[in-house]
Amino acid sequence: AQRVTQPEKLLSVFKGAPVELKCNYSYSGSPELFWYVQYSRQRLQLLLRHISRESIKGFTADLNKGETSFHLKKPFAQEEDSAMYYCALKGSGGYQKVTFGTGTKLQVIP
Amino acid sequence: KAGVTQTPRYLIKTRGQQVTLSCSPISGHRSVSWYQQTPGQGLQFLFEYFSETQRNKGNFPGRFSGRQFSNSRSEMNVSTLELGDSALYLCASSLAKEGVFFGQGTRLTVV
Repeated sequence: AQRVTQPEKLLSVFKGAPVELKCNYSYSGSPELFWYVQYSRQRLQLLLRHISRESIKGFTADLNKGETSFHLKKPFAQEEDSAMYYCALKGSGGYQKVTFGTGTKLQVIP
Repeated sequence: KAGVTQTPRYLIKTRGQQVTLSCSPISGHRSVSWYQQTPGQGLQFLFEYFSETQRNKGNFPGRFSGRQFSNSRSEMNVSTLELGDSALYLCASSLAKEGVFFGQGTRLTVV
């Protein structure tokens, strides 16, 4: 069974402070990990995927297979980063369902 | 490329009624999945279709069903609506080895 855990429902940080949104997963094989973001009144959208190893809007995420984690980080939070963030896992091998965590609401305080 | 399109955007139904939601995936995407989003439960997976076959199913009662057509468009049906079915229903399409792309959702209110 695959599971994604986001331990924080709400994370409040001041503008300019570092951000780390935690994500831990459980999966027996080699998963694909994603971060999705939902800004107020907008659709859920893909932020980044671990395969791409890219930085989007200043956010990065590193897959740590030893700790089964995929934490999302940004060195300096901006007010426009305030949103709901979901970590997601897709199993390997053909078409697999995507399992989402319960989400973390990031609130950046001006 | 047009994104995932869901219709209708808003629906109000009474308890006991049934409802059908529609989803048109991104052109070329053959996998369509459905999710229920509520403030209390977050995103919960309903089911996934690929080439008109249901490949995965979440833990929802049999009142929730779906289907996919040969053009990859999908519909989701909920019968005997309950107040607790009020939620945002999201459809997403994907290609293998990629993430899923979401529609804007259908906001269902059961009164």
